[in-house]
Amino acid sequence: AQSVTQLDSQVPVFEEAPVELRCNYSSSVSVYLFWYVQYPNQGLQLLLKYLSGSTLVKGINGFEAEFNKSQTSFHLRKPSVHISDTAEYFCAVNLITQGGSEKLVFGKGTKLTVNP
Amino acid sequence: GAVVSQHPSRVICKSGTSVKIECRSLDFQATTMFWYRQFPKQSLMLMATSNEGSKATYEQGVEKDKFLINHASLTLSTLTVTSAHPEDSSFYICSASTSGSFVETQYFGPGTRLLVL
Repeated sequence: AQSVTQLDSQVPVFEEAPVELRCNYSSSVSVYLFWYVQYPNQGLQLLLKYLSGSTLVKGINGFEAEFNKSQTSFHLRKPSVHISDTAEYFCAVNLITQGGSEKLVFGKGTKLTVNP
Repeated sequence: GAVVSQHPSRVICKSGTSVKIECRSLDFQATTMFWYRQFPKQSLMLMATSNEGSKATYEQGVEKDKFLINHASLTLSTLTVTSAHPEDSSFYICSASTSGSFVETQYFGPGTRLLVL
């Protein structure tokens, strides 16, 4: 069964510093991978997704992620963070059920706090 | 981008009452809508998937008679928590997609916080 592990529940970082939010998945089949961001009191917003092709995926707000099949990872990175990047970040993988339907399996989230 | 709204954003109710939560896709037609539940410091857990005009598909462990889902139109899905109890207190989030495939992006609503006293 597919599962998603976000190794860090909280990541504090100073403004303009680089950041990496880690995500590992377990799956025996091909996957689609996603990163979502949730700002306070708002819904989830898609940052980026990997479906196929280039393993380096660029998303909105200067974020990027790299799909590493051998390490089953999909870490999210940003070279220089802003205060406004403070939010909860969720990694997700698609799961295809036996019935053929699809659903997203989410990690527990990583709270990124950017300090001045 | 596509916008999904939820109403109400927050609701407090007495134990034993029923609560209806609406999820609307404002500027696109949602063939498929998903309902999630999120506990504090936990990930989103899919409760059910609904396709317009057909019965919802519930995840294992989710009581279909307690969490009634209706997807009567391409822009509206409702979740009714029947005979709510304190353990049903949670953050309920819907998402909408133009298809059931994840090649198409899911758009999430802002969530509804339910507190059952």
